Amino acid sequence: TQLLEQSPQFLSIQEGENLTVYCNSSSVFSSLQWYRQEPGEGPVLLVTVVTGGEVKKLKRLTFQFGDARKDSSLHITAAQPGDTGLYLCAEKGGGYQKVTFGTGTKLQVIP
Amino acid sequence: EAGVAQSPRYKIIEKRQSVAFWCNPISGHATLYWYQQILGQGPKLLIQFQNNGVVDDSQLPKDRFSAERLKGVDSTLKIQPAKLEDSAVYLCASSLGRQRFYNEQFFGPGTRLTVL
Repeated sequence: TQLLEQSPQFLSIQEGENLTVYCNSSSVFSSLQWYRQEPGEGPVLLVTVVTGGEVKKLKRLTFQFGDARKDSSLHITAAQPGDTGLYLCAEKGGGYQKVTFGTGTKLQVIP
Repeated sequence: EAGVAQSPRYKIIEKRQSVAFWCNPISGHATLYWYQQILGQGPKLLIQFQNNGVVDDSQLPKDRFSAERLKGVDSTLKIQPAKLEDSAVYLCASSLGRQRFYNEQFFGPGTRLTVL
């Protein structure tokens, strides 16, 4: 079973700051997804990356897939309180497109 | 379009009791998933259904957990008997089907189970 490690585990920052969270694997990802989960809700898909070196942007969020497809990062520019939540990376693959989630990064943005 | 519905939202039981959770997926979604999410961790897949058949239950503790998806629509997840370590949020998700590589999983709000 592939292990997806995320870092940092917790992050508390002031509104307006930039931050980066990381997702690392012991083996190559088939494809990688990033989710955000708010308290009391289920995770919501933000992005899927497939190709090594791929970069995707979603407003203030920038997602990067490592060239070797074993790591990924999520960068948030000028964080806002609405960005608060649990950020999860996940690998999607296999015959039935099984999703395996990482350990998560809990982000708190203080106004 | 209605999302994934789950009930109850919260449940508190004593250890060794039984409990059941219900999930209604998005209409037309062939694949249904049950996840267990322990506080502060990522969700762990318990079981995956394709229509009404099980395609992955490798991480389901089968001595105490069971799940069914009659008629390929609604699903129930049961724990009997519950243990303290079963305290978690149980998430249900659905997606269109495995043939679509990029098809997205949509999650319900979850059921928070506390075992005392």
